Amino acid sequence: EAQVTQNPRYLITVTGKKLTVTCSQNMNHEYMSWYRQDPGLGLRQIYYSMNVEVTDKGDVPEGYKVSRKEKRNFPLILESPSPNQTSLYFCASSHPGGISYEQYFGPGTRLTVT
Amino acid sequence: LAKTTQPISMDSYEGQEVNITCSHNNIATNDYITWYQQFPSQGPRFIIQGYKTKVTNEVASLFIPADRKSSTLSLPRVSLSDTAVYYCLVGDLGKAAGNKLTFGGGTRVLVKP
Repeated sequence: EAQVTQNPRYLITVTGKKLTVTCSQNMNHEYMSWYRQDPGLGLRQIYYSMNVEVTDKGDVPEGYKVSRKEKRNFPLILESPSPNQTSLYFCASSHPGGISYEQYFGPGTRLTVT
Repeated sequence: LAKTTQPISMDSYEGQEVNITCSHNNIATNDYITWYQQFPSQGPRFIIQGYKTKVTNEVASLFIPADRKSSTLSLPRVSLSDTAVYYCLVGDLGKAAGNKLTFGGGTRVLVKP
């Protein structure tokens, strides 16, 4: 089954404790992206990657890091999480530059930073 | 991506047709119109995409008038499971804009029994 998976689905952590949220897709998509969703602010892009070893900042990259060492994986790293990073996070993937804006989203990771 | 405006919420009843209109007055020549659906605590899901006139798939229809300054997503005979937030997005597929999808506030559709 074609899908985007994220782990963990739920995470409660404390300020300053480094964490990684994994994202993996099995559709051989070149493009992957991370979004965060907050009430009243909609979905905002954090980082994206057009291919392996190619990453770029989205709208709200501060406090986040990403890496793209393999085509299928695109982990999101919070080196020193803060309470304002409490949010619902989504990973997405697609073929870039195609004829469709169809992106495939993961199930989401709900992060709480205390 | 062009700015879009859509109603904040809509109520409907099972079996009815739901029409959500999105305004995009500044749509550019190369822009396409795309709609996503999002259920609570799930990732958005692509519904339909179009450039002009009418597009229909197994889920919905998309009506786009000749001036393309608005579009209407039509959900036929909705059921309770169609309760979700629906997002209208407008953008140019040809530009290397990082494939960024800019989501606005969306329209919350509540289907009642």
